[in-house]
Amino acid sequence: DTGVSQNPRHKITKRGQNVTFRCDPISEHNRLYWYRQTLGQGPEFLTYFQNEAQLEKSRLLSDRFSAERPKGSFSTLEIQRTEQGDSAMYLCASSGGWYQETQYFGPGTRLLVL
Amino acid sequence: GENVEQHPSTLSVQEGDSAVIKCTYSDSASNYFPWYKQELGKRPQLIIDIRSNVGEKKDQRIAVTLNKTAKHFSLHITETQPEDSAVYFCAARIFGNEKLTFGTGTRLTIIP
Repeated sequence: DTGVSQNPRHKITKRGQNVTFRCDPISEHNRLYWYRQTLGQGPEFLTYFQNEAQLEKSRLLSDRFSAERPKGSFSTLEIQRTEQGDSAMYLCASSGGWYQETQYFGPGTRLLVL
Repeated sequence: GENVEQHPSTLSVQEGDSAVIKCTYSDSASNYFPWYKQELGKRPQLIIDIRSNVGEKKDQRIAVTLNKTAKHFSLHITETQPEDSAVYFCAARIFGNEKLTFGTGTRLTIIP
């Protein structure tokens, strides 16, 4: 499968714990995005990388959230001191190439904070 | 920032009939408008997109129209089939920006 992959697919954690998600984009794509989707809503933008540089962060991304893309390939999203309001589907997308605007989404990581 | 509104939130259509979903956007600097289909438990998948220099685009049974003056764009599905049942999201992207702003989705149900 050469599409965007995400791990884990599901995560259940207790409030206050830290969690980390991984996204592997399509191999030749230099742009990578994180979105959050809650039930019945469209995806909401969290942050965006071009290669290893984090170029934009949403105000939704509080100090408890941090994202990295150290070598311009895979990315990680960490949530510290999780809260019940963090429960959502976390989607990763990638795009690449000049005038290639399509963002291809991964299957998501569903987080449940108890 | 951009704001995208989408209507209706639910739509039921008899198999074979057409379905239309409408979106409005707020920022006139938006120039890229994709539509995604999301089946239950699956990832969003692009079905069609349109850029602001084009008024209409068609791909088999799916078409998208864009009215830049009114800041409206619409998805048209003709000859609907049961496999068209899903949640559809419109989105908009401001020129020079990378983030997509999504609508709240339309749950389309095709009645056999």
